[in-house]
Amino acid sequence: AQSVTQPDIHITVSEGASLELRCNYSYGATPYLFWYVQSPGQGLQLLLKYFSGDTLVQGIKGFEAEFKRSQSSFNLRKPSVHWSDAAEYFCAVGASLYGNKLVFGAGTILRVKS
Amino acid sequence: GAGVSQTPSNKVTEKGKYVELRCDPISGHTALYWYRQSLGQGPEFLIYFQGTGAADDSGLPNDRFFAVRPEGSVSTLKIQRTERGDSAVYLCASSPTSEPNSPLHFGNGTRLTVT
Repeated sequence: AQSVTQPDIHITVSEGASLELRCNYSYGATPYLFWYVQSPGQGLQLLLKYFSGDTLVQGIKGFEAEFKRSQSSFNLRKPSVHWSDAAEYFCAVGASLYGNKLVFGAGTILRVKS
Repeated sequence: GAGVSQTPSNKVTEKGKYVELRCDPISGHTALYWYRQSLGQGPEFLIYFQGTGAADDSGLPNDRFFAVRPEGSVSTLKIQRTERGDSAVYLCASSPTSEPNSPLHFGNGTRLTVT
């Protein structure tokens, strides 16, 4: 069965600093990978997704993620964090056998200090 | 355009009561998903519909949970004999199709509290 691990429950970064949120997945075949962001009182918003092709994918709000098959990882990065990026971030894995059913990680809460 | 709408936004009920949670998907989206998000956890899949039929209900935790989508649009998640452990945020999402590359659009959720 698929699973997703986000090792960091909380991360605090200074505004303007770079960010990397870690995600490791477990799945036997080529996964579909996603990053979602959830702000307080808001629904989940898709940041970016990987299906195939270039392993470095660009998303909205200046985020990017790199798929590394050898490490079973899909880490999210941003070169310069803004205070408005404070939110909870979820990594998710899907599989074609299961339609668009996703398995989510437990999330990482990002705090941005000024 | 309108996004996915979930009502009510908050629901408090007593243990043992019956509740219904409603989801209005984006117009024209054929696939509809229910997820449950417990405190400190990521969303957990419950069930998804393709059109009117439940294509995969493997995530429903037990037979107290049931969902319908009679006309292929609005969906209702029904929980009988609620238990305190059912307290969570119930999320609905819709997508144009059920293909893996079809983006999910999530609603803001219904926060259910069972006292």
